[in-house]
Amino acid sequence: NAGVTQTPKFQVLKTGQSMTLQCAQDMNHEYMSWYRQDPGMGLRLIHYSVGAGITDQGEVPNGYNVSRSTTEDFPLRLLSAAPSQTSVYFCASSYDGSWSPLHFGNGTRLTVT
Amino acid sequence: GENVEQHPSTLSVQEGDSAVIKCTYSDSASNYFPWYKQELGKRPQLIIDIRSNVGEKKDQRIAVTLNKTAKHFSLHITETQPEDSAVYFCAASIAAGGTSYGKLTFGQGTILTVHP
Repeated sequence: NAGVTQTPKFQVLKTGQSMTLQCAQDMNHEYMSWYRQDPGMGLRLIHYSVGAGITDQGEVPNGYNVSRSTTEDFPLRLLSAAPSQTSVYFCASSYDGSWSPLHFGNGTRLTVT
Repeated sequence: GENVEQHPSTLSVQEGDSAVIKCTYSDSASNYFPWYKQELGKRPQLIIDIRSNVGEKKDQRIAVTLNKTAKHFSLHITETQPEDSAVYFCAASIAAGGTSYGKLTFGQGTILTVHP
């Protein structure tokens, strides 16, 4: 199993550009989520999904969209990039989002200039 | 929503000493408390977790304690080694039931440095 695969690993955007961060898992996990990691602020939940066709907002959803059309994929869309969205983004999945551990991807380092 | 506070933000110990990291949470309905370790440039990985029906859990050199009344939980690492150097995150969630199901809230992280 590849686990959780995120692409790209690095990305530089100009303010106002849009892009999609890709996340795929091959563990048949129902639960998937996106976090952003900023120095001194831990990991903050952006959006999450408890199953295909179901998404919900986390702590910091503004400026981001998600969809979950399949169990395997959970892309994160930045609609109009802003410098405040410069961060490291982690996708994570778990069996059911309940007592099971999160499996993280390797992260995407995004810089918005 | 849930708020998790973690202290200290940095912790420096000598090899062989013990290290303790403390977290408090705000939502009394939270019932699942995992700890993640993140080595430099790597992804976070689960090292231990505890459910609210348990007061303490151990796994070799690491242990976690939970005080539901005080809404406080701690990570204890004994006989620290240089390879324990990493960022440690506590987290809390309502793992079953309620409308906040699925939201895992993390603390701010503790940078642990173990000096040889």
